[in-house]
Amino acid sequence: DQQVKQNSPSLSVQEGRISILNCDYTNSMFDYFLWYKKYPAEGPTFLISISSIKDKNEDGRFTVFLNKSAKHLSLHIVPSQPGDSAVYFCAARTGSARQLTFGSGTQLTVLP
Amino acid sequence: DADVTQTPRNRITKTGKRIMLECSQTKGHDRMYWYRQDPGLGLRLIYYSFDVKDINKGEISDGYSVSRQAQAKFSLSLESAIPNQTALYFCATSDLTGYNEQFFGPGTRLTVL
Repeated sequence: DQQVKQNSPSLSVQEGRISILNCDYTNSMFDYFLWYKKYPAEGPTFLISISSIKDKNEDGRFTVFLNKSAKHLSLHIVPSQPGDSAVYFCAARTGSARQLTFGSGTQLTVLP
Repeated sequence: DADVTQTPRNRITKTGKRIMLECSQTKGHDRMYWYRQDPGLGLRLIYYSFDVKDINKGEISDGYSVSRQAQAKFSLSLESAIPNQTALYFCATSDLTGYNEQFFGPGTRLTVL
């Protein structure tokens, strides 16, 4: 059973528009959530995170929203740029070992 | 220079062979991790280590073993490779503080024929 789900394998957006990537989770013990971006032939790189005690965190063009009651988080990219084209993974942290559980990823394509 | 390096970057091997994937880091982090990525499944944790004397199994440790030779080195071994171990393997590191932001290496693409 996947505890962190990204139900959209792919998303295409026009340059300059908003990209919204979604992530759902089932484990209420997750206390911290992270988004990673991955380009081909590279490892994932950290993008933005949010604590479970907050509902929004913003960093430049990137904003993450957390809805705990719905067990849902989303990543907004505004405005989207062609260089944002990558696979985006959401991840959730739990336990004293602080392990991360990853979603399956969403391929974002920003069209020029 | 990359902070987290993995060798080899690509490897093709045959069923039954022993394979070792190596990871080195210059970030000075205590924690190191091995993940595998399969299409449609994201990254799954194989093993993790919080220091040289501390090794822990992750979600999918069967068929794998690890060795933490030093703070900076963490190796993953497949004692007898099988085709369903064909995947992209990532090493990652994190420090003891903060929110467990993990820093990933570039990955090793392993194909078992």
